[in-house]
Amino acid sequence: AQSVTQLGSHVSVSEGALVLLRCNYSSSVPPYLFWYVQYPNQGLQLLLKYTSAATLVKGINGFEAEFKKSETSFHLTKPSAHMSDAAEYFCAVTLGGDTGRRALTFGSGTRLQVQP
Amino acid sequence: NAGVTQTPKFQVLKTGQSMTLQCAQDMNHNSMYWYRQDPGMGLRLIYYSASEGTTDKGEVPNGYNVSRLNKREFSLRLESAAPSQTSVYFCASSEGVRHNQPQHFGDGTRLSIL
Repeated sequence: AQSVTQLGSHVSVSEGALVLLRCNYSSSVPPYLFWYVQYPNQGLQLLLKYTSAATLVKGINGFEAEFKKSETSFHLTKPSAHMSDAAEYFCAVTLGGDTGRRALTFGSGTRLQVQP
Repeated sequence: NAGVTQTPKFQVLKTGQSMTLQCAQDMNHNSMYWYRQDPGMGLRLIYYSASEGTTDKGEVPNGYNVSRLNKREFSLRLESAAPSQTSVYFCASSEGVRHNQPQHFGDGTRLSIL
C-alpha cells in the first residue's frame, strides 16, 4: 500500500527565509510524487510532479523538490519565502507499475505561514 | 478557462436528506474523481471514474453513490445524509489514469449536515 507522511502540520517562516516542507512516502513500487498548493476557499493547484525523469524537479512560483530514493523523501523547498506563499501544501503519491490503482493518496497537509 | 466546475458551492442539509453534488469539466479529460477533505486528514478518495462508463470505489465510498453521466460530468450522491458526511468535497479530472498525469481540481463544495 502507498502512503504519504508530511512532517509538521504548521510551518512558520519569515518573509525572505528558506521554506522547507517535508514529505516522506511509502511505496512498494516506484512512486510518482506530486506537490499541490491550496489557497483559502479554493481547490488544489499542481506545484510540481516527479515522474522519474529527473530527481530535482522545478515547479511554479519558485518552488522545487528533490526525490531521494534512499531517504524515501520528496521535500519541497523555496529559497526565499514571499507573503503570497501562505497556503496549505499537500504531498501526494500514486503508484507505478501495473497496480490497477491510479488515484492519488494525499498527505495530511502542511499549513505555511509567512511572517512579515 | 472554466476547468472543473462544481455546484453548489455551499449546502446545508438535515440528517436523512438526500443530495447530488454536480461536477463538470471542459478539458476533454477521460478520468474524474471525487474526494472529501477533513481537517488534519488531507484528501481522501471517495470514488473515481477511469473513463466514461466506468466507476470504482476509493478509500471511503460508504454512504455515497456516483454517476458518470457522460465524458464531461461526474456526480456524487448522498442518499441519506449523516453528520459524519459534513466535509468539503472536491471533484478532480485528469487526461487519463497514467501515473504522470496530474489532476485538476474544482473549488469545492462545502457541505454541512445538521
